[in-house]
Amino acid sequence: GNSVTQMEGPVTLSEEAFLTINCTYTATGYPSLFWYVQYPGEGLQLLLKATKADDKGSNKGFEATYRKETTSFHLEKGSVQVSDSAVYFCALSPYRNSGNTPLVFGKGTRLSVIA
Amino acid sequence: DGGITQSPKYLFRKEGQNVTLSCEQNLNHDAMYWYRQDPGQGLRLIYYSQIVNDFQKGDIAEGYSVSREKKESFPLTVTSAQKNPTAFYLCATTEGRHTGELFFGEGSRLTVL
Repeated sequence: GNSVTQMEGPVTLSEEAFLTINCTYTATGYPSLFWYVQYPGEGLQLLLKATKADDKGSNKGFEATYRKETTSFHLEKGSVQVSDSAVYFCALSPYRNSGNTPLVFGKGTRLSVIA
Repeated sequence: DGGITQSPKYLFRKEGQNVTLSCEQNLNHDAMYWYRQDPGQGLRLIYYSQIVNDFQKGDIAEGYSVSREKKESFPLTVTSAQKNPTAFYLCATTEGRHTGELFFGEGSRLTVL
């Protein structure tokens, strides 16, 4: 079946530190991959996405590269800010091969950035 | 403004009472979803609907019910059969049939006393 595994949190970093949140997936066919972010008390919003192998998604200084050979989509940012404190969710959409399957989410990783 | 509106944002209820959470969208999206979020468990899918008058159970549908009488609306009822209803509930939409990018409302926090 389809599944997403992401590193457990919480992750605590100092401002300007380098961030990596690991995400690996299991899927049949060629899924699309996503990172969503949830700020305290809010719903989720799309951070970035990649729809095919070797694509790099980027937004707000965050990046993730779709690696089919390692089935990974790790989230990175070179220099985090306090305002990046949130919960980050990795997700996949298997719709290319199965149009009836909703998005599959990882469990989320809480990031806290301290000044 | 286009978007998804969930109401109420906070809700307190006594045990044994049914509760209905509202989700309205003006994005003209076909598919709508309800997720439940608990600490440390991520998002779990309760129900989804790809078209008016049709819906499917997700992973944790027991104790919940939905309806989709209009494209814009997908209310969720948390029934007294739901054993542990206290949670944060999120409604989401997507333009087509699971095209991937979900748009979320701001959520409703239900606390059962």
